[in-house]
Amino acid sequence: AQRVTQPEKLLSVFKGAPVELKCNYSYSGSPELFWYVQYSRQRLQLLLRHISRESIKGFTADLNKGETSFHLKKPFAQEEDSAMYYCALGAAAGNKLTFGGGTRVLVKP
Amino acid sequence: KAGVTQTPRYLIKTRGQQVTLSCSPISGHRSVSWYQQTPGQGLQFLFEYFSETQRNKGNFPGRFSGRQFSNSRSEMNVSTLELGDSALYLCASSPDLRGSYNEQFFGPGTRLTVL
Repeated sequence: AQRVTQPEKLLSVFKGAPVELKCNYSYSGSPELFWYVQYSRQRLQLLLRHISRESIKGFTADLNKGETSFHLKKPFAQEEDSAMYYCALGAAAGNKLTFGGGTRVLVKP
Repeated sequence: KAGVTQTPRYLIKTRGQQVTLSCSPISGHRSVSWYQQTPGQGLQFLFEYFSETQRNKGNFPGRFSGRQFSNSRSEMNVSTLELGDSALYLCASSPDLRGSYNEQFFGPGTRLTVL
């Protein structure tokens, strides 16, 4: 069975502080991991995926297969980073995604 | 390109009724997935359609069904509505390029309220 866990429902940080969103997954095969983000009054959208290994809006995420984790990090949070973040696992033929429960990030000025 | 569109945006139904939700994918996208979002259960996968065939199915009862038309537009139907079906229903389309998972583009959702 596939499972994604985001242990923090809410992360509150000050502007300029580092932020790390935790994501752990359970899957016996070779997973594909994603971070999706939903800004206020906007649609859910892809932030980044592990196979691209790129930094988007200053965010990075490294897939650690040994720890089955895919934590999202940003060294200096900005107020515009305030949003709902979802970790997602793709692990079957087709485009089925299993989402974590989401973490709300609030960046205070 | 225009984004994923969903109609209607809001629906109010009563228990026992049935409802049909519609999704128009981004032009050229052949894969359409449906998700249910609730405060308690979060985002849960319902099903995925590709080339008019159901390719994946989540763990929802048979009251939830869907279909896809030749132009890739998709509908989902919920029969015998229950109070617990109140949720935001999201549709996502994907280009379904070969090789790996594809980015999914989400619509704004249909907010269903069952009274």
